[in-house]
Amino acid sequence: EIVLTQSPGTLSLSPGERATLSCRASQSVSSSHLAWYQQKPGRAPSLLIYGASSRATGIPDRFSGSGSGTDFTLTISRLEPEDFAVYYCQQYGQTFGQGTKVEIK
Amino acid sequence: QVQLVQSGVEVKKPGSSVKVSCRASGGTFSNHAIIWVRQAPGQGLEWMGGLIPPFGTPFYAQKFQGRVTMSTDESTSIAYMDLSRLRSEDTAVYYCARAGARLVLYYYEDWGQGTLVAVSS
Repeated sequence: EIVLTQSPGTLSLSPGERATLSCRASQSVSSSHLAWYQQKPGRAPSLLIYGASSRATGIPDRFSGSGSGTDFTLTISRLEPEDFAVYYCQQYGQTFGQGTKVEIK
Repeated sequence: QVQLVQSGVEVKKPGSSVKVSCRASGGTFSNHAIIWVRQAPGQGLEWMGGLIPPFGTPFYAQKFQGRVTMSTDESTSIAYMDLSRLRSEDTAVYYCARAGARLVLYYYEDWGQGTLVAVSS
């Protein structure tokens, strides 16, 4: 079973700054079958990115995904107040990373 | 876009069972797998299993095999997740989600609002 390790655990940034979140897989993820989700407190997760780099419907272009094989990155180019949340990566199916919390500095 | 509407809070005794429902509003489950994920308080996301309506064989995470049953009712566009022999560690918010295709192991593009199941004596 593939294990996904996200880093850092917490990212403290100010609005307007750039956020770079990492997701590393214990084995190669086939065909870029990797997704990213955002979760705000008390809310369900919502899909941001699928196929490692494709934005889901309605997701603003400040969110971008990249990577292949075992190393993937979610980048938020300029943080908006509504972007402070927890982000999870997922290898298609059973495996989620443990999450990265993006908090206001 | 379909909305997934889940049933309300459940408070259960250890050893009992719970059945959580997930209704597709404004659409159906057709052409999409339905999966269930849970989240214990303050913890991450844990995948439980899923199935492809209407007649697909459910696929469960090994951890839950023998305790979980997932099903759908196409006539009402409702999915169900039944978890038996509850213990305190099963206290969590349970989410249903709809996959982006008729594949259980996929990304999940629509999510229910979550159902809190609290297990306590």
